[in-house]
Amino acid sequence: ETGVTQTPRHLVMGMTNKKSLKCEQHLGHNAMYWYKQSAKKPLELMFVYNFKEQTENNSVPSRFSPECPNSSHLFLHLHTLQPEDSALYLCASSLRVADTQYFGPGTRLTVL
Amino acid sequence: AQKITQTQPGMFVQEKEAVTLDCTYDTSDPSYGLFWYKQPSSGEMIFLIYQGSYDQQNATEGRYSLNFQKARKSANLVISASQLGDSAMYFCAMREGEGAQKLVFGQGTRLTINP
Repeated sequence: ETGVTQTPRHLVMGMTNKKSLKCEQHLGHNAMYWYKQSAKKPLELMFVYNFKEQTENNSVPSRFSPECPNSSHLFLHLHTLQPEDSALYLCASSLRVADTQYFGPGTRLTVL
Repeated sequence: AQKITQTQPGMFVQEKEAVTLDCTYDTSDPSYGLFWYKQPSSGEMIFLIYQGSYDQQNATEGRYSLNFQKARKSANLVISASQLGDSAMYFCAMREGEGAQKLVFGQGTRLTINP
């Protein structure tokens, strides 16, 4: 596989469920990002990891919990979400934090 | 104030025509970068082109070029000889500051190419 991959591509969950989104990059990059894209709103940065260390948390509610075990993998753990959390969640990576970011295909999340 | 403004919610263009997508930005930092991404209905954000604030020449990548007017703080994307596959959402984004890790995106423009 090449580029940035995300699984699952689609996810439907209830408000009491716990689920995780996975992102993997095969580009040898050192920085990884989570973004949220809601309908009719600009893309919003959620978290940034640089060399596995979290360097940005953009005031994200604690029901979203990121994890970066190594520079190639990024997870977003979800628990007790709200319907307004339904969105497209995009992962991205870049060689360094100021470089061009390359995105995965996203996970379309629906919270019932 | 919005950092990135894309004033065209939607545009319709005939195939093979050139199209310009508008983007204006707001920053007081002398060092910044401007990006354009394409998002087809599949959802993936595809990087198209980059312009650095200190670049003397407008960036070009194949059929894409960036009309960078620094004094006007505009960074319009020009697509030459449009194709049906160019139909998508297009987002302008800015990295503000040297070494900044945050990208700020505009609202996007939905481009539809008609046959």
